[in-house]
Amino acid sequence: AQTVTQSQPEMSVQEAETVTLSCTYDTSESNYYLFWYKQPPSRQMILVIRQEAYKQQNATENRFSVNFQKAAKSFSLKISDSQLGDTAMYFCALFKAGNTGKLIFGQGTTLQVKP
Amino acid sequence: GAGVSQSPSNKVTEKGKDVELRCDPISGHTALYWYRQRLGQGLEFLIYFQGNSAPDKSGLPSDRFSAERTGESVSTLTIQRTQQEDSAVYLCASSLPGDEQFFGPGTRLTVL
Repeated sequence: AQTVTQSQPEMSVQEAETVTLSCTYDTSESNYYLFWYKQPPSRQMILVIRQEAYKQQNATENRFSVNFQKAAKSFSLKISDSQLGDTAMYFCALFKAGNTGKLIFGQGTTLQVKP
Repeated sequence: GAGVSQSPSNKVTEKGKDVELRCDPISGHTALYWYRQRLGQGLEFLIYFQGNSAPDKSGLPSDRFSAERTGESVSTLTIQRTQQEDSAVYLCASSLPGDEQFFGPGTRLTVL
């Protein structure tokens, strides 16, 4: 079975500072994708960043970067220079490569960026 | 172009009634997914359609839940004899095969 665990239900950070959200996962697959999604109060799920498991280099998208530790099955998200608009719920998700089916989501981390 | 749309945005119903939730995927997306999100929780997979293949219904929680899709367009999720535990946000997503899933804004269902 594939599982995704986010152990931080809530986090807060001061505007302009850096915050790291944790995610661990379990899968027996060798080829898979990992994602971080953002869900603001509008409910709209927005893809923040993706990582292919076969790539050793950590993905980066502007202020967002990941620390992918495949052996440890860890996939944390770092947000640099936090902005008020980053306030949202963040979900880590797992997807098996070659399978156009479901995403497996973690329970989510609510991030509050304070002015 | 237009994104994934869902209707209604909010639905309040009484216990025991049937409800239908609609999803309009992005044009050309052959894959369509339904997820359920309970308050403060992550998304739970419900059902997946891919082209003309048989749908993957492995996530449907009970036989009160069903879904249909017309070709590669609109999908309807039906919940019969609703229960209070069905209260949640129901999210639809669509994608090209094996590609990024684009989500709709969801339907918030409240069962009184």
